[in-house]
Amino acid sequence: GQNIDQPTEMTATEGAIVQINCTYQTSGFNGLFWYQQHAGEAPTFLSYNVLDGLEEKGRFSSFLSRSKGYSYLLLKELQMKDSASYLCAVRPNNAGNMLTFGGGTRLMVKP
Amino acid sequence: EPEVTQTPSHQVTQMGQEVILRCVPISNHLYFYWYRQILGQKVEFLVSFYNNEISEKSEIFDDQFSVERPDGSNFTLKIRSTKLEDSAMYFCASSALSYGYTFGSGTRLTVV
Repeated sequence: GQNIDQPTEMTATEGAIVQINCTYQTSGFNGLFWYQQHAGEAPTFLSYNVLDGLEEKGRFSSFLSRSKGYSYLLLKELQMKDSASYLCAVRPNNAGNMLTFGGGTRLMVKP
Repeated sequence: EPEVTQTPSHQVTQMGQEVILRCVPISNHLYFYWYRQILGQKVEFLVSFYNNEISEKSEIFDDQFSVERPDGSNFTLKIRSTKLEDSAMYFCASSALSYGYTFGSGTRLTVV
């Protein structure tokens, strides 16, 4: 089976840095994705990791450790508009392009 | 920026009725998907479609569901006999390669 865990909710302050963790146990692994989802809207792609290490893209970075089944999304210089749910999703190796999503982490940014 | 377009944005239907959800994927994309999200729950994979056939489907995608690409631009999801538990947001997505999905804005289906 597939199991992806991430915290349900987090709160952070505008201008700060926040790290959202994701752990996974899946039957295979062929990449990990992070998506942002505002309430009532579609998920939007943030990052993709398939090899160990850090991928940086502006204020957002994502890290992967395949041996630990662990990833995190780092958001720097938080803005109010970053208040959203952040979804961790894994593509299991034996499932082609299908993504298995975690339950999402709802991030609230406060002034 | 290219978009995946879904219609309608909202659909209310009576239990037992058939519904068709429509999607126009990004024109040069080759892989098409349907996902659903029940209110307050995680996004769940339904089906993927490549080269005019289903490439994968989940346990959710049973005989009441079907997909079609009728004319080379549209990609549809049909639910034959809707149940109350089919109420959810249905997202269409497409991708050119095996990553970098683009999701549509979704169809909120309410079964009453």
